[in-house]
Amino acid sequence: NAGVTQTPKFQVLKTGQSMTLQCAQDMNHNSMYWYRQDPGMGLRLIYYSASEGTTDKGEVPNGYNVSRLNKREFSLRLESAAPSQTSVYFCASSEGVNTGELFFGEGSRLTVL
Amino acid sequence: AQSVTQLGSHVSVSEGALVLLRCNYSSSVPPYLFWYVQYPNQGLQLLLKYTTGATLVKGINGFEAEFKKSETSFHLTKPSAHMSDAAEYFCAVSDLSHSGSARQLTFGSGTQLTVLP
Repeated sequence: NAGVTQTPKFQVLKTGQSMTLQCAQDMNHNSMYWYRQDPGMGLRLIYYSASEGTTDKGEVPNGYNVSRLNKREFSLRLESAAPSQTSVYFCASSEGVNTGELFFGEGSRLTVL
Repeated sequence: AQSVTQLGSHVSVSEGALVLLRCNYSSSVPPYLFWYVQYPNQGLQLLLKYTTGATLVKGINGFEAEFKKSETSFHLTKPSAHMSDAAEYFCAVSDLSHSGSARQLTFGSGTQLTVLP
């Protein structure tokens, strides 16, 4: 049982390059989330998708776009990477509003030079 | 808007000693509260959660936390620390999104627990 799977696990980009982080969950969850983790700041929500076909901004959406491709998959795109986007990115999923519990992937470490 | 404050970014305890990690929250509505643990180079995994009902909740690995509404606190404790407890711990509060269609977690900044032999 894989849970939440993120790819790639590591990526180095140059400023201005674009890339997409992929996330897939096999738990039939309705909601999916993208967070970034920076030292001393905990996790901050970038975007979320309450259900297939919907997406909403979180706390720090600038510089990112997302796509909820289907119920399983939720991708995060950086159109023009900046050094400030160097971070560890986590995808998570949850069953829905009644539980609140999130299940996390193992993270994607992104460095922008 | 909800927020979470974790007192102490680093806590050190001796093996066998009490573990106490502090968490205070603010929320405009009765919250769902969580503690997550993160081991090096891994994602976060749920330790325990409070939604409704009993205010003392027990989680995995011998951890427990007590929801105190009057103090807006949700401190995490473990009677006897083990070396394997060394990790980073995050407190989080959950609230409904503005549309009511999803729950959003707001995390504290984390507490790094070191267990000394």
